[in-house]
Amino acid sequence: DSGVTQTPKHLITATGQRVTLRCSPRSGDLSVYWYQQSLDQGLQFLIHYYNGEERAKGNILERFSAQQFPDLHSELNLSSLELGDSALYFCASARGGGSNQPQHFGDGTRLSIL
Amino acid sequence: ELKVEQNPLFLSMQEGKNYTIYCNYSTTSDRLYWYRQDPGKSLESLFVLLSNGAVKQEGRLMASLDTKARLSTLHITAAVHDLSATYFCAVDISNTGNQFYFGTGTSLTVIP
Repeated sequence: DSGVTQTPKHLITATGQRVTLRCSPRSGDLSVYWYQQSLDQGLQFLIHYYNGEERAKGNILERFSAQQFPDLHSELNLSSLELGDSALYFCASARGGGSNQPQHFGDGTRLSIL
Repeated sequence: ELKVEQNPLFLSMQEGKNYTIYCNYSTTSDRLYWYRQDPGKSLESLFVLLSNGAVKQEGRLMASLDTKARLSTLHITAAVHDLSATYFCAVDISNTGNQFYFGTGTSLTVIP
């Protein structure tokens, strides 16, 4: 058990809809990262938050947004969903915001778009 | 466009043998990470390499980084079945946070 909690575990929805994925980091961790894993695109880094502030952006679509709240949990919002958004979405947390921090991953949310 | 290439993509090896997985990347970076993913599972952080010449070892796995060659290696010594998994490398190119680009992964199967 990594200590990182992601909800929901599975999500099935239709094209055009909007969903919110939630991540609770390990106790004491200030950084949250979001990743997308799909057969087509492989593993892609989406965004990094540290203590409520956005630190780095990767290949995150404009239809996607994220935030980290004062209690350090994070949400990833996906809107105007397309079939290609079907993927496994992971979050990870780390103690600090620097490069030397190992990340701890949640079990992921599997998103299926019908 | 930044590229992170791993080879081989698939590796089948016998228990007790040694092998190396290679990770080449196309941009300047001195931060390289290795992860493990078991089938149907999440990712596990294995190694964080933060400078040229960095070497880290954990059990039968050893990772190294040559920033001048833009190359990292993951060496497996005397493989055992429990090492069967997919291994990913990732390069971090951000100066402000962490911005990772992942390799395609190497699927390792260790045969008894």
